[in-house]
Amino acid sequence: EPEVTQTPSHQVTQMGQEVILRCVPISNHLYFYWYRQILGQKVEFLVSFYNNEISEKSEIFDDQFSVERPDGSNFTLKIRSTKLEDSAMYFCARGTGPGAKNIQYFGAGTRLSVL
Amino acid sequence: TQLLEQSPQFLSIQEGENLTVYCNSSSVFSSLQWYRQEPGEGPVLLVTVVTGGEVKKLKRLTFQFGDARKDSSLHITAAQTGDTGLYLCAGVGANAGKSTFGDGTTLTVKP
Repeated sequence: EPEVTQTPSHQVTQMGQEVILRCVPISNHLYFYWYRQILGQKVEFLVSFYNNEISEKSEIFDDQFSVERPDGSNFTLKIRSTKLEDSAMYFCARGTGPGAKNIQYFGAGTRLSVL
Repeated sequence: TQLLEQSPQFLSIQEGENLTVYCNSSSVFSSLQWYRQEPGEGPVLLVTVVTGGEVKKLKRLTFQFGDARKDSSLHITAAQTGDTGLYLCAGVGANAGKSTFGDGTTLTVKP
């Protein structure tokens, strides 16, 4: 059973539209991450989120992306104006704690298809 | 920029053979995790290694973390067809930081 549940499992959208991907942890956690994996490529880090703030983000995570935890439970990734190259699997992960003891558990992912 | 190189990228062997997958970096990581990923699904954690020189065994799988915490290996003994899949290594930065993934090794075990 995955540590986090992601919805939807598949999202199809038109270029330029906004999408919101959701991640629901099974229990209370403080460390969250978003990664993406373009078909046939490696898993890439997007952003880390700790204590309701972004702690680190990659070059991929530009102004079109945002994250929040609006209700203290769901962790969301918003893409404001999708581009064709945003098509990928997006994975949410939760971490177990700081430093070397941090183990990241991944959700099953959301497949985003931008047409 | 931290990079992890996995080798080989593809590996095809006969059932019963042994194999080793390598994960190398010039960077030091707080810990290193091995995952297995099935098509269309998220990475599933196999093991975490934290201490330099650490060896962990998971049935027929043996994981080792290099003394300098820059590299790791996964050794499978007597491979089975059920071992077929994509194996990923990921190095974790300090302070609950991001995971840096390798490109993965696609293993095919033929009957």
